[in-house]
Amino acid sequence: DAGITQSPRHKVTETGTPVTLRCHQTENHRYMYWYRQDPGHGLRLIHYSYGVKDTDKGEVSDGYSVSRSKTEDFLLTLESATSSQTSVYFCAISGGNKGFSEQFFGPGTRLTVL
Amino acid sequence: QQQVKQSPQSLIVQKGGISIINCAYENTAFDYFPWYQQFPGKGPALLIAIRPDVSEKKEGRFTISFNKSAKQFSLHIMDSQPGDSATYFCAASKAAGNKLTFGGGTRVLVKP
Repeated sequence: DAGITQSPRHKVTETGTPVTLRCHQTENHRYMYWYRQDPGHGLRLIHYSYGVKDTDKGEVSDGYSVSRSKTEDFLLTLESATSSQTSVYFCAISGGNKGFSEQFFGPGTRLTVL
Repeated sequence: QQQVKQSPQSLIVQKGGISIINCAYENTAFDYFPWYQQFPGKGPALLIAIRPDVSEKKEGRFTISFNKSAKQFSLHIMDSQPGDSATYFCAASKAAGNKLTFGGGTRVLVKP
């Protein structure tokens, strides 16, 4: 998975609790992304980062925040989880020697909000 | 509003047959069109990509056909094999940025 790890890989939580998902890369890629995958919707961009401390919103950013204090780490936080945020979350990176177009995806985190 | 529409949602093909997946986009600013392959429990992986300056790109058994005027592109999997059974996603992005917009996905099952 191109030097990308996600933690945790599985998580079950309750409505209203905060949740943080971590993406860690060893490729020194500039760009990092968080997507959620739901049946019939493909993957939808939540937030992305174009450098340390530089982030921007994606298509479905409501209810999510991100932080990137180091090149290698990109954190996704659900401040108060809701059942609609039950999904599989994928981190992706780009910006290596193949340019920023090609994105490499991590293994995913399956989150269930009860 | 879904900017990239993908069809069909699922596809069953016999071994050796041709799998065809179609995508249509709305935003004429898109200029990069990749296809991703995803196996169960794994993240998507880039399969093949095309830019609008060419009408076709072939890599092994996988071919992208691109029709700029119709704003459509398609993936053809020739001589389909059971190992090709996976979910396939088309996507698109703009020149100035790198945010991918994905289609809804097609689950392909190749029967032996």
